[in-house]
Amino acid sequence: GENVEQHPSTLSVQEGDSAVIKCTYSDSASNYFPWYKQELGKRPQLIIDIRSNVGEKKDQRIAVTLNKTAKHFSLHITETQPEDSAVYFCAATRRGSTLGRLYFGRGTQLTVWP
Amino acid sequence: NAGVTQTPKFRVLKTGQSMTLLCAQDMNHEYMYWYRQDPGMGLRLIHYSVGEGTTAKGEVPDGYNVSRLKKQNFLLGLESAAPSQTSVYFCASSYPPRLAPYTGELFFGEGSRLTVL
Repeated sequence: GENVEQHPSTLSVQEGDSAVIKCTYSDSASNYFPWYKQELGKRPQLIIDIRSNVGEKKDQRIAVTLNKTAKHFSLHITETQPEDSAVYFCAATRRGSTLGRLYFGRGTQLTVWP
Repeated sequence: NAGVTQTPKFRVLKTGQSMTLLCAQDMNHEYMYWYRQDPGMGLRLIHYSVGEGTTAKGEVPDGYNVSRLKKQNFLLGLESAAPSQTSVYFCASSYPPRLAPYTGELFFGEGSRLTVL
């Protein structure tokens, strides 16, 4: 099956700085890469995703990039704010497969200091 | 529209006791999942279901059983609880990839915190 590795496991930044979280995947057939944010004590929620036919996608202060050749993808958060503090999970799957299950990375605890 | 609802939200068990976690969704999703979340381990899939009456094993199925008798419900059972099953359990649901408006998004419940003493 797919194996998703996520780094770093913890990340601390000053408010206003940028944060980058990186993930690698093993299955070259994976074609859908979502990112989930989980605030303390809350459920994970989808914040952005990218499909394999796109190299980059932006949504306000967050962006994802994908390098299919190297099999890695990254989450970029600019102008970080204290409310960005959370655990972020990357995931990978074959969209369009009959299974539809996601393979998650182990998560990154992001702390934004005011 | 409640989304995905899990009950109970908290439970303390003694080793060897049994219990069932209930997940209910009102979005008519075909796919449902049970994950466990432990510090530093991310979200690990226990069991999942691709439709009413079907179940399948995920990454960490040992010690758990599931049933999907109705499309909207997915039950997770622990027959003989062990301290290693102390965790936060999340249920999730999604559309199947072959159907619109499939976006790949999983909709999670609020989680159930289980402690086994």
